[in-house]
Amino acid sequence: DAGITQSPRHKVTETGTPVTLRCHQTENHRYMYWYRQDPGHGLRLIHYSYGVKDTDKGEVSDGYSVSRSKTEDFLLTLESATSSQTSVYFCAIRGQQGSHNEQFFGPGTRLTVL
Amino acid sequence: KQEVTQIPAALSVPEGENLVLNCSFTDSAIYNLQWFRQDPGKGLTSLLLIQSSQREQTSGRLNASLDKSSGRSTLYIAASQPGDSATYLCAVSTTSGTYKYIFGTGTRLKVLA
Repeated sequence: DAGITQSPRHKVTETGTPVTLRCHQTENHRYMYWYRQDPGHGLRLIHYSYGVKDTDKGEVSDGYSVSRSKTEDFLLTLESATSSQTSVYFCAIRGQQGSHNEQFFGPGTRLTVL
Repeated sequence: KQEVTQIPAALSVPEGENLVLNCSFTDSAIYNLQWFRQDPGKGLTSLLLIQSSQREQTSGRLNASLDKSSGRSTLYIAASQPGDSATYLCAVSTTSGTYKYIFGTGTRLKVLA
């Protein structure tokens, strides 16, 4: 399972509150990704990181920020949650060199914004 | 802009049948293509990865092919079993160096006992 954990696994929050989701990996992978999964849209990339303090936007980054202060943790923050951010959030890592970019996913966080 | 399509969206087959799932993409300049399986309420499990220079990959009863020039990949499942019931997703990786994936919306497979 590539040693990826996500926390929390489930969260219910109210509109306007800040929310932080955590992705933790144990195998020193350089690349980490945050996706959201919604019915009819599949998985869409929110932000990704290519090293400590190195991050960039994906296709649906509005309303989200990320931080990576150490290799093993990649945090996704919703500064002021909205109902449109109700979704399942997945973290992924890119396998090490030689894996030909195979990506491995965490178990997901189900977020409900009321 | 790369777009990935999976047809059909849902499929039901009797146990034991061989089946093919389709994935098409609009831009042939890909780095690789990966097939995943997702069980309800779960994360994604990697099934097969095909590099852009390869034509196919096999793992057990699964065989994935890639035709870059036509923008197509197929996932062949032999002798299907009820345990194969899941959603199957394909994703293509860009060549930009950031290894970002574009996902299809998946095919929901149900294998009937």
